[in-house]
Amino acid sequence: DVKVTQSSRYLVKRTGEKVFLECVQDMDHENMFWYRQDPGLGLRLIYFSYDVKMKEKGDIPEGYSVSREKKERFSLILESASTNQTSMYLCASSLVGSYGYTFGSGTRLTVV
Amino acid sequence: KNEVEQSPQNLTAQEGEFITINCSYSVGISALHWLQQHPGGGIVSLFMLSSGKKKHGRLIATINIQEKHSSLHITASHPRDSAVYICAVRSTGNQFYFGTGTSLTVIP
Repeated sequence: DVKVTQSSRYLVKRTGEKVFLECVQDMDHENMFWYRQDPGLGLRLIYFSYDVKMKEKGDIPEGYSVSREKKERFSLILESASTNQTSMYLCASSLVGSYGYTFGSGTRLTVV
Repeated sequence: KNEVEQSPQNLTAQEGEFITINCSYSVGISALHWLQQHPGGGIVSLFMLSSGKKKHGRLIATINIQEKHSSLHITASHPRDSAVYICAVRSTGNQFYFGTGTSLTVIP
């Protein structure tokens, strides 16, 4: 069974902390994505990566960075967490040339 | 302006009812997805469509490319169908756009 695994289901962090959200996929997918989901706004793309060490900004990259040192792992980094980054974060992956998506189960981050 | 609009935003149905969720989009697309998100956050891909109609169990998805419209139907709804249903499109420019979701509650 294919899997996208996000390391934490729930996280609580303090304002100003550096936060790492990890995502690992076991499907050898080239493309990986980070979204955040907020009520009334739907899913919004933060960053995506189409290959190791490659990254592209999505719609709302401000305040975030990403790292993809290995094909299976895509990390989202909040350099200095702020309360407006309290959200559900979803990781997804897909094959190049495929339109299918596989999502992780999400990380609910609260910044206090 | 949202490239993908869903209706209704919230829907409550009695068990056994036939349910329709609608999705309209404004961009040229290469594919349209229907996603299901259960409480707790996990998202499952239900359908991927580029034309016509697909059926899986009690779920049916249709798309009309000319009208830029898709519908998700659930026949004989059940409380376990309670979830948020999200329409997403992959544009011909390779961008993904998401609707804000339809929250469905099926009452026994």
